[in-house]
Amino acid sequence: QQQVKQSPQSLIVQKGGIPIINCAYENTAFDYFPWYQQFPGKGPALLIAIRPDVSEKKEGRFTISFNKSAKQFSLHIMDSQPGDSATYFCAASKDDKIIFGKGTRLHILP
Amino acid sequence: SQTIHQWPATLVQPVGSPLSLECTVEGTSNPNLYWYRQAAGRGLQLLFYSVGIGQISSEVPQNLSASRPQDRQFILSSKKLLLSDSGFYLCAWSVLREKLFFGSGTQLSVL
Repeated sequence: QQQVKQSPQSLIVQKGGIPIINCAYENTAFDYFPWYQQFPGKGPALLIAIRPDVSEKKEGRFTISFNKSAKQFSLHIMDSQPGDSATYFCAASKDDKIIFGKGTRLHILP
Repeated sequence: SQTIHQWPATLVQPVGSPLSLECTVEGTSNPNLYWYRQAAGRGLQLLFYSVGIGQISSEVPQNLSASRPQDRQFILSSKKLLLSDSGFYLCAWSVLREKLFFGSGTQLSVL
């Protein structure tokens, strides 16, 4: 059972463009939604996170948009750079259980 | 500062052999501990998590097990490995669920 659905599976964007990664969840009990960034050969690292009482959160060039009624949330990367090329995972959490999506491989062209 | 140690970095095992992967955390007390598996096209799959010594929640695996013999030690085991057990295994810890800290992972190849 896939509790967090993430799309697209891969994404190629020109430098300066705005890649958008989307996630949808099923369990309305989830109350915390983080995004993680993973570089090859490394473990994922927390990038940004949001709670369902907020519709948007910005940290630097990274923005999460959250639609509680649609049970969807998305990551936007402003002014994307080649260094942003990585795999991005959305996740959803309730209590101590943290479920991840399948990931999006993002490549930013120079 | 807190650190997480996970070993070995790579492992090649024959089908039917046992498995033991160990993860230890330093610099914190009573962390939540997690085992995830990363396989191509399947993202990060939660296998087990633990909120305290001897407390293990199992999410998916049939032939894998986990144990937490000490506060900051988490062990992933199997009595007989299957081909489908191949993947990148990641241990992680958190004090609050707001931030997971991942280890460097173990690349397991079952042949």
